[in-house]
Amino acid sequence: KQEVTQIPAALSVPEGENLVLNCSFTDSAIYNLQWFRQDPGKGLTSLLLIQSSQREQTSGRLNASLDKSSGRSTLYIAASQPGDSATYLCAVKESNFGNEKLTFGTGTRLTIIP
Amino acid sequence: EPEVTQTPSHQVTQMGQEVILRCVPISNHLYFYWYRQILGQKVEFLVSFYNNEISEKSEIFDDQFSVERPDGSNFTLKIRSTKLEDSAMYFCASSESVLGGIREQFFGPGTRLTVL
Repeated sequence: KQEVTQIPAALSVPEGENLVLNCSFTDSAIYNLQWFRQDPGKGLTSLLLIQSSQREQTSGRLNASLDKSSGRSTLYIAASQPGDSATYLCAVKESNFGNEKLTFGTGTRLTIIP
Repeated sequence: EPEVTQTPSHQVTQMGQEVILRCVPISNHLYFYWYRQILGQKVEFLVSFYNNEISEKSEIFDDQFSVERPDGSNFTLKIRSTKLEDSAMYFCASSESVLGGIREQFFGPGTRLTVL
């Protein structure tokens, strides 16, 4: 059974710093991995999707990497801003046909200190 | 930009009552999903739906749950007899069918269900 872990559970950094969020998964047979942002009491905003054949994906100040063989992904946020404060979730989709579900991690709650 | 919408944003019900949560997926999407998030816990998969039938469901999705696409735009989740432990945020998601099968899931804002 796929298990997704995110460490740390919470992170506080001063504004302007670069930071890395970590995601690990137990079964490397994944189809893709998505990073989401969740604001308190709100829905999930998709940030980046990395296919299993890709090593990284970039969108603005965000860069996500994937090392499928070691079961790890990182989300790099450059030049952090107070508006980046949110919970960041990673989720994996397994590779077998017909298996459409995403398995989520518990998230990292990020606070950017002005 | 197209988005998934959900109604209501908050539903309060008495234990044992039936509730229907509604979703309007992105218009050209063909795959639909329901997830839930109990307060302080992980987002959990409930069910996926494609071509007018359930394609996958989790252990959580028992006989008390059902899904329906009653028309060309709505996708609903029904809980027949709610329990206290059904209290959670319920998210609807949708994704398109893409050649090669790369499907990013887009989520709605959620319906907070409170069972008293």
